[in-house]
Amino acid sequence: DTAVSQTPKYLVTQMGNDKSIKCEQNLGHDTMYWYKQDSKKFLKIMFSYNNKELIINETVPNRFSPKSPDKAHLNLHINSLELGDSAVYFCASSLGQGYNSPLHFGNGTRLTVT
Amino acid sequence: GENVEQHPSTLSVQEGDSAVIKCTYSDSASNYFPWYKQELGKGPQLIIDIRSNVGEKKDQRIAVTLNKTAKHFSLHITETQPEDSAVYFCAASILGNEKLTFGTGTRLTIIP
Repeated sequence: DTAVSQTPKYLVTQMGNDKSIKCEQNLGHDTMYWYKQDSKKFLKIMFSYNNKELIINETVPNRFSPKSPDKAHLNLHINSLELGDSAVYFCASSLGQGYNSPLHFGNGTRLTVT
Repeated sequence: GENVEQHPSTLSVQEGDSAVIKCTYSDSASNYFPWYKQELGKGPQLIIDIRSNVGEKKDQRIAVTLNKTAKHFSLHITETQPEDSAVYFCAASILGNEKLTFGTGTRLTIIP
């Protein structure tokens, strides 16, 4: 009965590789997000989708490309991985625009680039 | 854009004592202020939130206060227990805008 699930939990890869992280929510929410948490625990929004439409796109390198096949899924693809991409990536969901409803986070994907 | 500062970065408290974490925000248009608790290996989880039309909100041992004039809000945990040990984040956003800006986090340790 996991509300927001993301896979994989751990991802270790070499520089230059391309990798994807998948996220699914079963809460019926309209809005999904990707957040990045660095080694100092700082949480920063990367992207937000509302009903499959991109609504927030922060200053993120274009090597990062989110994809939302439907409103229950938001995947993150990263091309040409760099050492600085090492972080924990969190997927989250909320009711939708205008609600200021709580974010429901997944348990994160720890990405390590060597 | 919004900037949220959070203090202290680390806090150690004897079990049973109270803990207070403070945040300030920069954008006077912000009107929604949630607090999240992150346990080891997990994602942040909402513990309490407050909107700008109230000054204080309580939920059992947890309370949040908001001073709109000074643009700061605080989390108060009373009768702390070992399971309160975690990293706590404050955040701020504007109604209708889904972009939450997080504080830098406070690592709270409860000493048995």
